[in-house]
Amino acid sequence: EAGVVQSPRYKIIEKKQPVAFWCNPISGHNTLYWYLQNLGQGPELLIRYENEEAVDDSQLPKDRFSAERLKGVDSTLKIQPAELGDSAVYLCASSSPIAGGNEQFFGPGTRLTVL
Amino acid sequence: GEDVEQSLFLSVREGDSSVINCTYTDSSSTYLYWYKQEPGAGLQLLTYIFSNMDMKQDQRLTVLLNKKDKHLSLRIADTQTGDSAIYFCAERGGDGGFKTIFGAGTRLFVKA
Repeated sequence: EAGVVQSPRYKIIEKKQPVAFWCNPISGHNTLYWYLQNLGQGPELLIRYENEEAVDDSQLPKDRFSAERLKGVDSTLKIQPAELGDSAVYLCASSSPIAGGNEQFFGPGTRLTVL
Repeated sequence: GEDVEQSLFLSVREGDSSVINCTYTDSSSTYLYWYKQEPGAGLQLLTYIFSNMDMKQDQRLTVLLNKKDKHLSLRIADTQTGDSAIYFCAERGGDGGFKTIFGAGTRLFVKA
């Protein structure tokens, strides 16, 4: 079974440029999460989807961040415009309600560097 | 709000036991987790414990939960160099949702 796939793995951009990250969750996983992981910190939730509905986006900075999961499968996280402080690893995770949602499966992350 | 705290570093010799500690603040936590992160990789779930349990053992891993003190520990027996990684403690709140709060991680160094 394929794990959570994220692309790109690395991205370097200049500040004020837009950037997008893509995530393909494990097949059949209804719940998808985007996390931000700063250096030396644990992941912090940005947004959680149940199918195509964003059920928790309270931590998403909506002035510059947006996300979508149009068909309830793949998801895209966008930053426009990027700022220096956005440099971090962006992790995607998915889980299945069949197992009670106990285990989140994480992708390898996209490491963003904003110059 | 909810908070999870861990010590930042732990160094042990190969073959010794490692004990990584964690404290949390949410008294209504339902699940408590230990994740492992290796360089350049995402987090991998090692084990979890229900909040109504005191202990869980899984091969070389032993999790102890003191709910009164809101203290969680992970013991790794016979620590190997391959266990060198960052270990994250996390708790899932009792709000019926899926919000999981992670600690900052404990970096485990295993010396040969």
